[in-house]
Amino acid sequence: DTEVTQTPKHLVMGMTNKKSLKCEQHMGHRAMYWYKQKAKKPPELMFVYSYEKLSINESVPSRFSPECPNSSLLNLHLHALQPEDSALYLCASSHGIVLTASSTDTQYFGPGTRLTVL
Amino acid sequence: RKEVEQDPGPFNVPEGATVAFNCTYSNSASQSFFWYRQDCRKEPKLLMSVYSSGNEDGRFTAQLNRASQYISLLIRDSKLSDSATYLCVVNSGDSWGKLQFGAGTQVVVTP
Repeated sequence: DTEVTQTPKHLVMGMTNKKSLKCEQHMGHRAMYWYKQKAKKPPELMFVYSYEKLSINESVPSRFSPECPNSSLLNLHLHALQPEDSALYLCASSHGIVLTASSTDTQYFGPGTRLTVL
Repeated sequence: RKEVEQDPGPFNVPEGATVAFNCTYSNSASQSFFWYRQDCRKEPKLLMSVYSSGNEDGRFTAQLNRASQYISLLIRDSKLSDSATYLCVVNSGDSWGKLQFGAGTQVVVTP
């Protein structure tokens, strides 16, 4: 089973709202990722958690705040977003980051949350 | 220059025909290669990993040419359900193994 689940599927929020996106996997994966994808563009990496610790922050604005409560869950807290933040937010997981250049774990994506900021 | 480049297409393919397309990558340190397919407004789904010797999975064949730094995907006996965007994905070769995505090649299979 390579299932990653995300909630909600759709989210509409105003620029002053605070909301959270949730991601869950039960595959025993120890690396989890947040990506942002705009229409007709490839996914862009935002954050990487490895063994529940933040490993990579791709210079993401502080209005996006990730959290990894445990090895199965990954949240993305949203506050004071801008309309240009409207996008598909994808969560992914993999067995664990291989800290060499020689190989990379296969990543499995959740269905995404389609976010609209008004 | 983009790290991973793909022909955006669309490739319009009659049902039952064969279609092939390439992806080039710029980082010679990259070691892991993947093809994902993405349907409209859906998440990317792993189609296949690409190995040095080339590999086949049913109607899909992937090849890797390290010398020229390109990866290819061939789809035989195309089905209507093969219509999708195919993303070429390469690891960055850095210590974190981050993935780099091509912009995708759109394939449209027509009856």
